[in-house]
Amino acid sequence: GAGVSQSPSNKVTEKGKDVELRCDPISGHTALYWYRQSLGQGLEFLIYFQGNSAPDKSGLPSDRFSAERTGGSVSTLTIQRTQQEDSAVYLCASSTGGGAGQPQHFGDGTRLSIL
Amino acid sequence: RKEVEQDPGPFNVPEGATVAFNCTYSNSASQSFFWYRQDCRKEPKLLMSVYSSGNEDGRFTAQLNRASQYISLLIRDSKLSDSATYLCVVNPNSGGYQKVTFGTGTKLQVIP
Repeated sequence: GAGVSQSPSNKVTEKGKDVELRCDPISGHTALYWYRQSLGQGLEFLIYFQGNSAPDKSGLPSDRFSAERTGGSVSTLTIQRTQQEDSAVYLCASSTGGGAGQPQHFGDGTRLSIL
Repeated sequence: RKEVEQDPGPFNVPEGATVAFNCTYSNSASQSFFWYRQDCRKEPKLLMSVYSSGNEDGRFTAQLNRASQYISLLIRDSKLSDSATYLCVVNPNSGGYQKVTFGTGTKLQVIP
Protein backbone atom coordinates (compact mmCIF):
# COMPACT_ATOMS: atom_id res chain seq x y z
CA GLY A 1 0.00 0.00 0.00
CA ALA A 2 0.92 3.64 -0.15
CA GLY A 3 3.50 4.87 2.30
CA VAL A 4 3.86 8.25 3.96
CA SER A 5 3.84 10.97 1.34
CA GLN A 6 5.48 14.35 1.81
CA SER A 7 5.43 17.39 -0.40
CA PRO A 8 7.24 19.22 -1.74
CA SER A 9 10.36 17.08 -1.99
CA ASN A 10 12.51 20.18 -2.15
CA LYS A 11 11.80 23.77 -1.27
CA VAL A 12 14.10 26.71 -1.77
CA THR A 13 12.93 30.04 -0.48
CA GLU A 14 14.23 33.40 0.64
CA LYS A 15 14.78 34.32 4.23
CA GLY A 16 11.69 35.90 5.75
CA LYS A 17 9.18 34.00 3.62
CA ASP A 18 6.62 31.59 5.04
CA VAL A 19 6.66 27.93 3.99
CA GLU A 20 4.15 25.16 4.31
CA LEU A 21 5.13 21.49 4.29
CA ARG A 22 2.63 18.72 3.81
CA CYS A 23 2.45 15.16 5.12
CA ASP A 24 -0.04 12.51 4.07
CA PRO A 25 0.27 9.58 6.50
CA ILE A 26 -0.45 5.95 5.85
CA SER A 27 -4.19 5.40 5.81
CA GLY A 28 -5.50 4.38 9.21
CA HIS A 29 -2.45 5.55 11.13
CA THR A 30 -3.58 7.60 14.11
CA ALA A 31 -0.15 8.82 15.22
CA LEU A 32 1.79 11.38 13.19
CA TYR A 33 5.17 12.90 13.93
CA TRP A 34 7.28 15.70 12.51
CA TYR A 35 11.06 15.70 12.85
CA ARG A 36 13.85 17.90 11.60
CA GLN A 37 17.29 16.68 10.60
CA SER A 38 20.20 18.94 9.80
CA LEU A 39 23.06 17.59 7.71
CA GLY A 40 25.05 15.02 9.65
CA GLN A 41 22.87 15.36 12.72
CA GLY A 42 20.32 13.17 14.47
CA LEU A 43 16.56 13.50 14.33
CA GLU A 44 15.09 16.43 16.23
CA PHE A 45 11.55 15.85 17.41
CA LEU A 46 9.16 18.69 16.59
CA ILE A 47 5.55 17.67 17.20
CA TYR A 48 3.40 14.58 17.71
CA PHE A 49 -0.30 14.09 16.95
CA GLN A 50 -2.22 11.16 18.41
CA GLY A 51 -5.82 10.74 17.31
CA ASN A 52 -8.03 13.49 18.69
CA SER A 53 -5.75 14.27 21.62
CA ALA A 54 -4.04 17.62 21.99
CA PRO A 55 -0.74 17.48 20.10
CA ASP A 56 2.58 17.35 21.89
CA LYS A 57 4.26 20.53 20.66
CA SER A 58 7.18 20.35 23.06
CA GLY A 59 9.76 20.08 20.28
CA LEU A 60 8.80 23.13 18.26
CA PRO A 61 11.88 25.39 18.36
CA SER A 62 10.06 28.73 18.28
CA ASP A 63 6.65 30.32 17.81
CA ARG A 64 7.45 30.67 14.12
CA PHE A 65 6.72 26.95 13.84
CA SER A 66 3.20 25.55 13.91
CA ALA A 67 1.49 22.42 12.72
CA GLU A 68 -2.00 21.16 12.33
CA ARG A 69 -3.63 17.94 11.40
CA THR A 70 -7.01 18.14 9.74
CA GLY A 71 -9.54 15.37 10.05
CA GLY A 72 -7.02 13.11 11.71
CA SER A 73 -5.18 12.60 8.44
CA VAL A 74 -3.13 15.12 6.47
CA SER A 75 -0.81 17.38 8.43
CA THR A 76 0.84 20.64 7.50
CA LEU A 77 3.90 22.14 9.15
CA THR A 78 4.16 25.90 8.73
CA ILE A 79 7.28 27.94 9.28
CA GLN A 80 6.77 31.68 9.33
CA ARG A 81 9.44 34.29 8.62
CA THR A 82 11.99 31.62 7.75
CA GLN A 83 15.58 31.96 8.90
CA GLN A 84 18.69 30.36 7.46
CA GLU A 85 18.98 28.07 10.46
CA ASP A 86 15.64 26.54 9.46
CA SER A 87 17.41 24.86 6.54
CA ALA A 88 17.14 21.11 7.10
CA VAL A 89 15.29 18.01 6.00
CA TYR A 90 11.83 17.86 7.54
CA LEU A 91 10.65 14.31 8.03
CA CYS A 92 7.15 13.11 8.74
CA ALA A 93 6.35 9.68 10.16
CA SER A 94 3.18 7.86 11.07
CA SER A 95 2.29 4.78 13.07
CA THR A 96 -0.79 2.87 14.03
CA GLY A 97 -0.58 4.32 17.52
CA GLY A 98 -2.42 2.52 20.26
CA GLY A 99 -0.80 0.77 23.17
CA ALA A 100 1.29 -1.80 21.40
CA GLY A 101 4.35 0.28 20.57
CA GLN A 102 4.15 0.17 16.81
CA PRO A 103 7.09 1.33 14.68
CA GLN A 104 7.04 4.55 12.73
CA HIS A 105 7.12 4.73 8.97
CA PHE A 106 8.81 7.73 7.42
CA GLY A 107 8.17 9.76 4.34
CA ASP A 108 11.00 10.77 2.03
CA GLY A 109 11.20 14.18 3.67
CA THR A 110 11.17 17.76 2.44
CA ARG A 111 14.58 19.31 1.93
CA LEU A 112 14.21 22.96 2.87
CA SER A 113 16.84 25.50 1.90
CA ILE A 114 16.63 29.09 3.07
CA LEU A 115 18.69 31.53 1.05
CA ARG B 1 21.94 11.36 31.20
CA LYS B 2 20.43 11.42 27.73
CA GLU B 3 17.22 9.47 27.19
CA VAL B 4 18.86 7.36 24.52
CA GLU B 5 22.60 7.15 23.91
CA GLN B 6 24.58 5.60 21.11
CA ASP B 7 28.25 5.58 20.21
CA PRO B 8 28.37 7.73 17.06
CA GLY B 9 31.26 5.71 15.58
CA PRO B 10 32.22 5.44 12.83
CA PHE B 11 32.75 1.71 13.02
CA ASN B 12 34.98 0.74 10.11
CA VAL B 13 34.89 -3.02 9.57
CA PRO B 14 36.04 -5.30 6.75
CA GLU B 15 33.56 -7.24 4.67
CA GLY B 16 32.59 -10.48 6.37
CA ALA B 17 33.26 -9.21 9.87
CA THR B 18 30.85 -9.33 12.77
CA VAL B 19 30.01 -6.01 14.40
CA ALA B 20 27.82 -5.07 17.33
CA PHE B 21 26.32 -1.80 18.52
CA ASN B 22 24.78 -0.98 21.85
CA CYS B 23 22.22 1.62 22.76
CA THR B 24 21.48 2.62 26.35
CA TYR B 25 18.25 4.19 27.56
CA SER B 26 17.40 6.00 30.76
CA ASN B 27 13.67 5.34 31.19
CA SER B 28 13.36 1.98 32.91
CA ALA B 29 9.64 1.89 32.09
CA SER B 30 10.27 1.87 28.33
CA GLN B 31 8.26 -0.79 26.60
CA SER B 32 9.11 -0.95 22.91
CA PHE B 33 12.41 -0.86 21.11
CA PHE B 34 13.44 -0.75 17.47
CA TRP B 35 16.45 -0.50 15.24
CA TYR B 36 16.30 1.67 12.14
CA ARG B 37 18.88 2.18 9.44
CA GLN B 38 19.39 5.45 7.65
CA ASP B 39 21.34 5.72 4.43
CA CYS B 40 23.04 8.97 3.55
CA ARG B 41 20.50 11.65 2.64
CA LYS B 42 17.61 9.20 2.96
CA GLU B 43 14.83 8.74 5.47
CA PRO B 44 15.16 6.23 8.35
CA LYS B 45 13.77 2.80 7.59
CA LEU B 46 12.71 0.18 10.10
CA LEU B 47 15.28 -2.59 10.34
CA MET B 48 13.77 -4.67 13.10
CA SER B 49 11.84 -4.59 16.34
CA VAL B 50 13.59 -5.73 19.50
CA TYR B 51 11.77 -8.34 21.54
CA SER B 52 12.37 -9.22 25.17
CA SER B 53 13.57 -12.69 24.31
CA GLY B 54 15.86 -11.44 21.55
CA ASN B 55 15.19 -11.92 17.88
CA GLU B 56 17.03 -12.67 14.69
CA ASP B 57 16.42 -11.70 11.10
CA GLY B 58 18.95 -13.27 8.78
CA ARG B 59 22.35 -11.81 9.59
CA PHE B 60 20.90 -9.40 12.14
CA THR B 61 20.30 -10.18 15.82
CA ALA B 62 18.70 -7.78 18.26
CA GLN B 63 18.72 -8.18 22.02
CA LEU B 64 17.28 -6.37 24.99
CA ASN B 65 18.85 -6.21 28.43
CA ARG B 66 16.30 -4.63 30.74
CA ALA B 67 18.42 -4.96 33.86
CA SER B 68 21.21 -2.88 32.35
CA GLN B 69 18.85 -0.83 30.17
CA TYR B 70 20.38 -1.33 26.80
CA ILE B 71 19.58 -2.88 23.46
CA SER B 72 22.07 -4.30 21.03
CA LEU B 73 22.31 -5.02 17.33
CA LEU B 74 24.67 -7.67 16.00
CA ILE B 75 25.46 -7.91 12.29
CA ARG B 76 27.21 -11.04 11.06
CA ASP B 77 29.03 -11.44 7.78
CA SER B 78 28.97 -7.69 7.06
CA LYS B 79 28.23 -6.62 3.50
CA LEU B 80 29.19 -3.40 1.77
CA SER B 81 25.46 -2.64 1.58
CA ASP B 82 25.26 -2.64 5.37
CA SER B 83 27.11 0.69 5.41
CA ALA B 84 24.66 3.14 6.96
CA THR B 85 23.80 4.86 10.20
CA TYR B 86 21.91 2.67 12.67
CA LEU B 87 19.41 4.40 14.93
CA CYS B 88 17.95 2.90 18.05
CA VAL B 89 14.45 3.90 19.06
CA VAL B 90 12.90 3.68 22.49
CA ASN B 91 9.17 3.98 23.07
CA PRO B 92 7.86 4.59 26.58
CA ASN B 93 4.48 3.32 25.36
CA SER B 94 2.74 4.69 28.38
CA GLY B 95 -1.06 4.58 28.14
CA GLY B 96 -1.00 4.79 24.38
CA TYR B 97 1.32 7.81 24.38
CA GLN B 98 3.71 6.99 21.62
CA LYS B 99 6.28 9.76 21.56
CA VAL B 100 9.42 7.84 20.86
CA THR B 101 13.00 8.88 21.32
CA PHE B 102 15.57 8.31 18.60
CA GLY B 103 19.23 7.88 19.33
CA THR B 104 21.60 10.00 17.27
CA GLY B 105 22.84 6.91 15.48
CA THR B 106 25.95 4.79 15.03
CA LYS B 107 27.67 5.04 11.70
CA LEU B 108 28.89 1.80 10.13
CA GLN B 109 31.28 1.69 7.20
CA VAL B 110 31.98 -1.74 5.72
CA ILE B 111 35.26 -1.74 3.84
CA PRO B 112 36.09 -4.02 0.88
